[in-house]
Amino acid sequence: GAGVSQSPSNKVTEKGKDVELRCDPISGHTALYWYRQSLGQGLEFLIYFQGNSAPDKSGLPSDRFSAERTGGSVSTLTIQRTQQEDSAVYLCASSLGGQSTYEQYFGPGTRLTVT
Amino acid sequence: DQQVKQNSPSLSVQEGRISILNCDYTNSMFDYFLWYKKYPAEGPTFLISISSIKDKNEDGRFTVFLNKSAKHLSLHIVPSQPGDSAVYFCAAANDYKLSFGAGTTVTVRA
Repeated sequence: GAGVSQSPSNKVTEKGKDVELRCDPISGHTALYWYRQSLGQGLEFLIYFQGNSAPDKSGLPSDRFSAERTGGSVSTLTIQRTQQEDSAVYLCASSLGGQSTYEQYFGPGTRLTVT
Repeated sequence: DQQVKQNSPSLSVQEGRISILNCDYTNSMFDYFLWYKKYPAEGPTFLISISSIKDKNEDGRFTVFLNKSAKHLSLHIVPSQPGDSAVYFCAAANDYKLSFGAGTTVTVRA
């Protein structure tokens, strides 16, 4: 079956511009996560959606970052007024939720470069 | 604050030999541990996991060991194969959140 997909795969933007990153989770997965991986670092948790519950936004690094999940499926991560330190690979993951929440399925990521 | 640490950024091993990857954590609230494998330009894929109530879990060539008193886990791959060359991430779970280590790049030499 189809896995988690993300678009675009690469994005180069100028400092100060806004960007939108998209994630299509696996059908039927109620939990969706966004992570960021900077060069030489592990995956950094950004935000978590579970069903219709309020999202856990505790990992968002600043108020320039926001995310939505429409209809319990597709999610968009928006970064406003991008800065060079936002350059990273942004990974989306989904899981069945409940006791299977830990086993997350990742998309290929979006590599964001801010010039 | 890195709660999960992989202190070896890289590991080189000969084909057929054992690969041992190590991971240390600091948060005693973690109750589930996972290893993920990542190839270039792909997302991480789940490899093997272990609950905090166990000390060993085996799946084919992969075995994960957990030492709770030392807050340490390890992944053993035996025998190592060329297709095992990848980046391996250790992850620890508290509720629904995973904390990841920085990864260890494994290179299996023919």
